Amino acid sequence: GENVEQHPSTLSVQEGDSAVIKCTYSDSASNYFPWYKQELGKRPQLIIDIRSNVGEKKDQRIAVTLNKTAKHFSLHITETQPEDSAVYFCAASIRPGGSYIPTFGRGTSLIVHP
Amino acid sequence: EAQVTQNPRYLITVTGKKLTVTCSQNMNHEYMSWYRQDPGLGLRQIYYSMNVEVTDKGDVPEGYKVSRKEKRNFPLILESPSPNQTSLYFCASSPLGQPQHFGDGTRLSIL
Repeated sequence: GENVEQHPSTLSVQEGDSAVIKCTYSDSASNYFPWYKQELGKRPQLIIDIRSNVGEKKDQRIAVTLNKTAKHFSLHITETQPEDSAVYFCAASIRPGGSYIPTFGRGTSLIVHP
Repeated sequence: EAQVTQNPRYLITVTGKKLTVTCSQNMNHEYMSWYRQDPGLGLRQIYYSMNVEVTDKGDVPEGYKVSRKEKRNFPLILESPSPNQTSLYFCASSPLGQPQHFGDGTRLSIL
């Protein structure tokens, strides 16, 4: 089955710095890559996603890049703010039968210091 | 309001006492799934369902059962809970091929 590695497990930055979280996946059939943010005590919420026919996608301060050849994708957060502090999960998904079956990374705890 | 509702939110119980965690969504989503979240292990899928009467095992199905008799409901059943099933559980739903919406979670403690 699919295996997703996520690094780093913890990332500490100063407010205003950029943060980058990287994920690699093993199954070349994976074609959908969502990123979720989970604040303390809350549910995971989708922040951005990318499909395999796209190399990069941006939404304000966040962006995701995908390299299908190397089987890795990354989340980039610019101008970090204290409210960006959370656990971030990447996922890689295959799509049998029209839906997708995601495998999640183990998460990155991002801490933004004011 | 579109939402995924899990009940109960918190439960402390004892080994061997059957329990059910309910999950209901009001968005007419075809796809529903259950995850457990443990420190350092991320989210691991237990079971998923792509439509009524269609269920499949995820990565960690041992010790769990599910059913999908109606489109809106996807209960998680622990027939004989054990302490290693102490965890935070999330239900999620989505239209086919779309991102998932998660419920608020159920924290289970099995003594």
